[in-house]
Order: sequence, then C-alpha cells, then structure tokens
Amino acid sequence: QQQVKQSPQSLIVQKGGISIINCAYENTAFDYFPWYQQFPGKGPALLIAIRPDVSEKKEGRFTISFNKSAKQFSLHIMDSQPGDSATYFCAASKRRALTFGSGTRLQVQP
Amino acid sequence: GAGVSQSPSNKVTEKGKDVELRCDPISGHTALYWYRQSLGQGLEFLIYFQGNSAPDKSGLPSDRFSAERTGGSVSTLTIQRTQQEDSAVYLCASSWGYGGQMVAFFGQGTRLTVV
Repeated sequence: QQQVKQSPQSLIVQKGGISIINCAYENTAFDYFPWYQQFPGKGPALLIAIRPDVSEKKEGRFTISFNKSAKQFSLHIMDSQPGDSATYFCAASKRRALTFGSGTRLQVQP
Repeated sequence: GAGVSQSPSNKVTEKGKDVELRCDPISGHTALYWYRQSLGQGLEFLIYFQGNSAPDKSGLPSDRFSAERTGGSVSTLTIQRTQQEDSAVYLCASSWGYGGQMVAFFGQGTRLTVV
C-alpha cells in the first residue's frame, strides 16, 4: 500500500526555472511532512519540512505548499541551479515513523 | 560521532551466505530506521526502533531479514541466506523529535551485492 504518491518520476528544468514536485497522501494521521534531497552515493538529507497547520513554508529558494483538504503538498525550487540536480523524496510522518514517496530525479540543465 | 555511521560501506557476498550490516546512530537519538534502496528506486521501509518500544517490523520483506538494536544505540541488520534480489543500498537513519516533529539523519548506506 503506497501511502505517499510522488510525481513526476523525473524532471528536467532549465537553469533559472522553477522545479515543482508534487506529493499526495492518504493517511490523515500524518502530522509532519519533510522533503529530503539525495545526491548520488549519499544518504538522503533533510531539505525542508512543514506541519499540517501551515499552508506554506519558505527557506531560501525552496518552498513547500501544503493543501490539507486535498491531502497534497508540493516542493517548489525557484531559480533552479545545476547544483540542485539530485533525487528528491517527499515523506510523511506519524508518531516519528517516516513513509517516503518514490522519489523524483531532478536534472537542471545549464 | 557527528553523524550516522554505517559499516561496511560496501559488501559483496555469495548467494546463500548470511550478512550483517551495522548502524551507529547519532548519540541521543531515540529512533532508528532501516530502509532499502534499489538502484534508481525509492526508499523501502524495513524496520523502525523507538526507544524501548517493540520495533515496527512491518517492512521486513521475509523472515530472512531481522534487526536488533542493543542498548538503545547500535543496530545490526542481518540477512540470512542472501539472494540476488537482496542486492541494494541499505540505509540507516536516526532521529530526534522537537515539538512533536521528527528530523531524521541518514547514513551513507551499505551497498550490498549478492553474486
């Protein structure tokens, strides 16, 4: 049972463009929604996270938008840079157990 | 240590052999997770330890997989009678909670190759 659905599977964006990755969840008991960034050969690293009582959170070029009624959340990367090329995972947490989406491989072309 | 440490970083084993993968979490973290990541794939949950509570083993794919966490710190993931489909990167993460939120820190993983 896939509790967190992530799309697209892969994404190509030009430098300076906006990258958008979407996730949808099923379990309304989830209480924390982090995004992780993974570079090849490395473990995932926490990028940004949001709680369900907040509709948007921004940290630098990275913004999470959260729609509780639709059970959807998304990551926006503004002014995308080649150094942002990585795999991005959304996740949802319930009582500290993390469920991950399937990942989005982002490639930012110079 | 400063981060989550996993060993070995790479392991090649013959089909049918047993393997043990080790995870040293960040000191003070009460939660520890094991995930499996196949080439180019997402993160498959295996097992979750939280303090002294019974572990959540719901993600273990078969009874050949088991994990222990001794003294609330170091964890060992054991795979018995390895199969080629067990080849993957095994990731460990530990976490702490702040205000009800959970932040997980991952190790670099153990790349397991079963030949």
